This record gives sequence, structure tokens and C-alpha cells, in this order.
Amino acid sequence: AQSVTQLGSHVSVSEGALVLLRCNYSSSVPPYLFWYVQYPNQGLQLLLKYTSAATLVKGINGFEAEFKKSETSFHLTKPSAHMSDAAEYFCAVSRGETSGSRLTFGEGTQLTVNP
Amino acid sequence: EAGVAQSPRYKIIEKRQSVAFWCNPISGHATLYWYQQILGQGPKLLIQFQNNGVVDDSQLPKDRFSAERLKGVDSTLKIQPAKLEDSAVYLCASSLGSGVNTEAFFGQGTRLTVV
Repeated sequence: AQSVTQLGSHVSVSEGALVLLRCNYSSSVPPYLFWYVQYPNQGLQLLLKYTSAATLVKGINGFEAEFKKSETSFHLTKPSAHMSDAAEYFCAVSRGETSGSRLTFGEGTQLTVNP
Repeated sequence: EAGVAQSPRYKIIEKRQSVAFWCNPISGHATLYWYQQILGQGPKLLIQFQNNGVVDDSQLPKDRFSAERLKGVDSTLKIQPAKLEDSAVYLCASSLGSGVNTEAFFGQGTRLTVV
């Protein structure tokens, strides 16, 4: 079975500071990994995904994530936080190449950006 | 292009009542997912359709939950009878196909409160 663990249910940063949201995965097969963002009362929006190509994945809104097999991690980063980045972020793993968006999500990390 | 439409946005019912949610996916999207998101948790997949056939319903509580996608377009998720623990946001998502390289687009969800 595949799963992801997000370390830290709440992260608070100052505007302009580095954003680092942590995600570790457990998978018996090469994983396909995703980061989604959810704004209040909205559905989820895909930020980026890793599908076994480049290990450094760039996404929308200046976010990127690096797949590290040795650490079983897929942490999300952004060099400089903006107030509009305040939202909940979910790491997710797909069950396989043909499983598409049949995803197993982590518990989520609420990001607060302070002025 | 229009996104995934869900209705109603909010629903409050008493326990043991029945309720139905409706989802209209993006035009042309063959794959449709229903997820349940309990407050403070990540979304959990309930069922996946490919056109009008069920691909995966292993996490659907079939004693009380049912879902259909009769013409391979709109879908309905039903709960009968509802329990307090069914209080959650029900998210519908759709994608062109079922492969991992096809992005799923999420609706805004239906927030169900069971009292």
C-alpha cells in the first residue's frame, strides 16, 4: 500500500521568507507524487507532480519540489512567500501509472503567511 | 472552459435521512472521481468511474453509499441513511483519461452536515 506523511499540520512564515512543506512517502513501487493547494471553500488545484522524469519539478506560482528516493521525500518549496500563498497544501501519491488521479492524500499542512 | 460543477454547495440533514449530490464534469472528461474530505483530513477516494463503468469502489461504504454515472457524463452520489460521521465535504473531480499524466480538475465540493 502507498501512503504519504506530511510533517507539520501548521506552518507559519513571514512574507518574503522561504516556504518549506515536508512530505515523505511510502511505496512498494516507484511512486507518482503530487502537491495540491486548497483555498478556503475551493476545490483542490494541482501545483506540480512527479512522474519519474526530472527529480526537480517546477510548478505553478513559483513552487517546486524535489524527489529524493534515498530520503523517500518530496518536499515543497518556494523561495519567497507571498500573502496569497496562505492556504492548505496536500501531498498525494498515485497508486500506479494507470491509476491517474486515484490518489492517496496526506493530512494536509495549513500555511499561514504573516505580513 | 467551464470547470467541474457540483450541487448543492451546502446541505444540512438529520441522521438517518437520505441525501444526494450531483456532479457535472468538464465536457469530454471520461474519468470521474468522488472524494470525501472530513474536516482536518486529506480527501479520501470513494469511487472512480471510467465513462459509465466503475473502476474502483473499494473504499465506498456500500451499505449506505451509492453512486452512478448512467450516461457517462453527470454523476450522483447518494447516502442512505446518513450517519453523523458522514459530515464532510464531498469533492468531485474529472480528467480526460485515467493515466497519471492526465490532470484531474476538482469541483468546489458539497459540504454536508449531519445533525
